[in-house]
Amino acid sequence: EDQVTQSPEALRLQEGESSSLNCSYTVSGLRGLFWYRQDPGKGPEFLFTLYSAGEEKEKERLKATLTKKESFLHITAPKPEDSATYLCAVQVVDTGTASKLTFGTGTRLQVTL
Amino acid sequence: DVKVTQSSRYLVKRTGEKVFLECVQDMDHENMFWYRQDPGLGLRLIYFSYDVKMKEKGDIPEGYSVSREKKERFSLILESASTNQTSMYLCASSFSTVRLGQGITQPQHFGDGTRLSIL
Repeated sequence: EDQVTQSPEALRLQEGESSSLNCSYTVSGLRGLFWYRQDPGKGPEFLFTLYSAGEEKEKERLKATLTKKESFLHITAPKPEDSATYLCAVQVVDTGTASKLTFGTGTRLQVTL
Repeated sequence: DVKVTQSSRYLVKRTGEKVFLECVQDMDHENMFWYRQDPGLGLRLIYFSYDVKMKEKGDIPEGYSVSREKKERFSLILESASTNQTSMYLCASSFSTVRLGQGITQPQHFGDGTRLSIL
């Protein structure tokens, strides 16, 4: 069974204090790994797709990396507006045309002044 | 920009009622999905559809049904609402890998959710 585990569950940072969120996965064959950001009362907003080990993607203060067993979302010098829940999801190679995703339970990030 | 619109942000219904949640997307996506999101459990797939009138069960289909009569619209139906169906419901859509080519995948795009309370 495909599994996605995110850690920590919650993380509190001061503004400017860099850190990383972890997403470890166990799947039969990875087609893609996705990172989403979710603000309270809103739907998840797509951030990145990673396809193969060694790949990296960046967007502003966020950088996502991928190995064969896990992905990291590095947050450099975070600001209060980066506060959100960050979700990781995997798509495996045998999901047919429908591109089903398996989600982790998320990391709730709070950035304070 | 992709837009996925869910008909209601908040909904309160009574036990035993038949409840309809509607979702519309404007990007000509083949795939559409219904999830529920509960604290500590994450997003769980209820049903999905890869074409008009086609549907498949997700991980937790019990107590739900779906309808897709038009490509842009996907409805979730709670046949007889129960209190354990109180949750945040999220709709998503994406392109088919058939359109994109094997080995290429696109993300799912989500609506802002319907917070459903069953009393």
